[in-house]
Amino acid sequence: KNQVEQSPQSLIILEGKNCTLQCNYTVSPFSNLRWYKQDTGRGPVSLTIMTFSENTKSNGRYTATLDADTKQSSLHITASQLSDSASYICVVSDRGSTLGRLYFGRGTQLTVWP
Amino acid sequence: EADIYQTPRYLVIGTGKKITLECSQTMGHDKMYWYQQDPGMELHLIHYSYGVNSTEKGDLSSESTVSRIRTEHFPLTLESARPSHTSQYLCASSESGGGTYNEQFFGPGTRLTVL
Repeated sequence: KNQVEQSPQSLIILEGKNCTLQCNYTVSPFSNLRWYKQDTGRGPVSLTIMTFSENTKSNGRYTATLDADTKQSSLHITASQLSDSASYICVVSDRGSTLGRLYFGRGTQLTVWP
Repeated sequence: EADIYQTPRYLVIGTGKKITLECSQTMGHDKMYWYQQDPGMELHLIHYSYGVNSTEKGDLSSESTVSRIRTEHFPLTLESARPSHTSQYLCASSESGGGTYNEQFFGPGTRLTVL
């Protein structure tokens, strides 16, 4: 069964600190993995995308890693800001269908305190 | 920011009412999707469309229906709303083909509450 598991479920950090969010998946055949940021009451917005051959991708203070052998990914946030408070969702796409089916994790709810 | 819009953003209605959630995109995308999301849970695909006059049911069974008469418009209708329909509904769109690795662009969502 294709699944995406994220940890931790929630995380509280102080402004300026770093944090790392984890994602494990069982989706096969694998196409790509995205990290989305979803602010409260808004739709998800893509932060990074990685394909099978990529093992790291950065977008400003966000750095994602991918280990396709162990089917694990992480999202590292550097020097957190209050605006980073959001849900971070790991989304894996398969290449076994014309739809390009997406499999969503439940997200990690990050809260940044001043 | 993606050019995909949803209205209304918030809706509170009584049981038994018929409602239509609107979704429009100006990116010319062929593929459009409706997801349902409950707090702290993953998004579940309830409907999708490959293009005009194409609609399919998603993974999660839903009593809602959709139509795709125009490329840019993908409304979702509930004929008789019930409290179990209370949820957030997210619309998304993507290009056809694999050139963009199926990136889906999401609207802001509609928060539906059925009393």
